[in-house]
Amino acid sequence: AQTVTQSQPEMSVQEAETVTLSCTYDTSESDYYLFWYKQPPSRQMILVIRQEAYKQQNATENRFSVNFQKAAKSFSLKISDSQLGDAAMYFCAYRRGNYGGSQGNLIFGKGTKLSVKP
Amino acid sequence: SAVISQKPSRDICQRGTSLTIQCQVDSQVTMMFWYRQQPGQSLTLIATANQGSEATYESGFVIDKFPISRPNLTFSTLTVSNMSPEDSSIYLCSANRQGGPNTEAFFGQGTRLTVV
Repeated sequence: AQTVTQSQPEMSVQEAETVTLSCTYDTSESDYYLFWYKQPPSRQMILVIRQEAYKQQNATENRFSVNFQKAAKSFSLKISDSQLGDAAMYFCAYRRGNYGGSQGNLIFGKGTKLSVKP
Repeated sequence: SAVISQKPSRDICQRGTSLTIQCQVDSQVTMMFWYRQQPGQSLTLIATANQGSEATYESGFVIDKFPISRPNLTFSTLTVSNMSPEDSSIYLCSANRQGGPNTEAFFGQGTRLTVV
């Protein structure tokens, strides 16, 4: 079974600084996708960034980038120039690549609560 | 992107009663899921809602407790039956827009359920 581990329950960063959130996963599959989701107090899950396992290049989305280390099964999220609006719970998630039936769901880590200090 | 409307957004219920949560997607989707997020915890998959057939439940979740319907490609309901305080959680509906490498998962706003 696939598992996702986030070892940092809470993190804090100063506004305009950079912070890295850690995520490791375990899978025996070669085809999969990794995601970072943001959940603010509104509870709405917002996709931050995604990474296809077959792509060596790390994904980037504006101030958000990942460090994807496939051999180490590591998938960290770097937030640059942190803003007050970045404060939220961040969840790392895994999804199988080729799936059928009921296996298109996401498997989530426990989350990291990010605080941004002004 | 797809927009998912989930309601109610919150409710306070008496133990022993049932609550039905509705999830409406603004376009046809391939797969719909129901997750539970207990206080301060991560999201755990309850079941996959299958259109026109019985839902597929994950280990630890049963149909008698969490009956699910999906009468068409854009609508699903989750009922939390015979509630106890342990059922107090956030329940989230999710949908996959399409299969393959471009699949994106979208989420409803969640339903915060408190059982007293």
